[in-house]
Amino acid sequence: AQKVTQAQTEISVVEKEDVTLDCVYETRDTTYYLFWYKQPPSGELVFLIRRNSFDEQNEISGRYSWNFQKSTSSFNFTITASQVVDSAVYFCALRGGRGSTLGRLYFGRGTQLTVWP
Amino acid sequence: DTEVTQTPKHLVMGMTNKKSLKCEQHMGHRAMYWYKQKAKKPPELMFVYSYEKLSINESVPSRFSPECPNSSLLNLHLHALQPEDSALYLCASSAPRGYNEQFFGPGTRLTVL
Repeated sequence: AQKVTQAQTEISVVEKEDVTLDCVYETRDTTYYLFWYKQPPSGELVFLIRRNSFDEQNEISGRYSWNFQKSTSSFNFTITASQVVDSAVYFCALRGGRGSTLGRLYFGRGTQLTVWP
Repeated sequence: DTEVTQTPKHLVMGMTNKKSLKCEQHMGHRAMYWYKQKAKKPPELMFVYSYEKLSINESVPSRFSPECPNSSLLNLHLHALQPEDSALYLCASSAPRGYNEQFFGPGTRLTVL
């Protein structure tokens, strides 16, 4: 079974604070793929990152960074020096590697991030 | 060009109407998806097309009828919908291999009266 848990339903921070969004996943697949998407109020899901199960390197892209730890089945997302434009719902998602689940993204329930000026 | 377009942006329809949602991508992707998203919920997969053939139907009611006329276009035909079908309908595309990320369109906000 594939499952993604985002325990934080809502987070509020003040601009320039750092914030970490948690993502814990469950899968029996040895090969799998993890994703983060951002959904601003306009509705479109914006792809942020993909991480393959065989690549545990952390990644930094500007103010965004991701910490992938297979030992704890976590793929956390940190925004440094948050800005008002970061306000959105953030979804973590899992895609299995087996053919029967190919094409199916399993989403967490999302974390609503609000950044106050 | 990493854009997926959807039309219309908003749609209001009665329960006896027939309407269609359209999705287009020009990224050369051969997998396309329809999702339904209710407020404060994650997207729910409805259909997956791979190489223009329906490969996944998540037990969606027959009042939703997908169509993939070619590799760039995806339609969702709607007929005799219920008010509970009101939602944001998202289209996405990806390269067909499993590890590739899906790119989403802006969605169609559907209201069924």
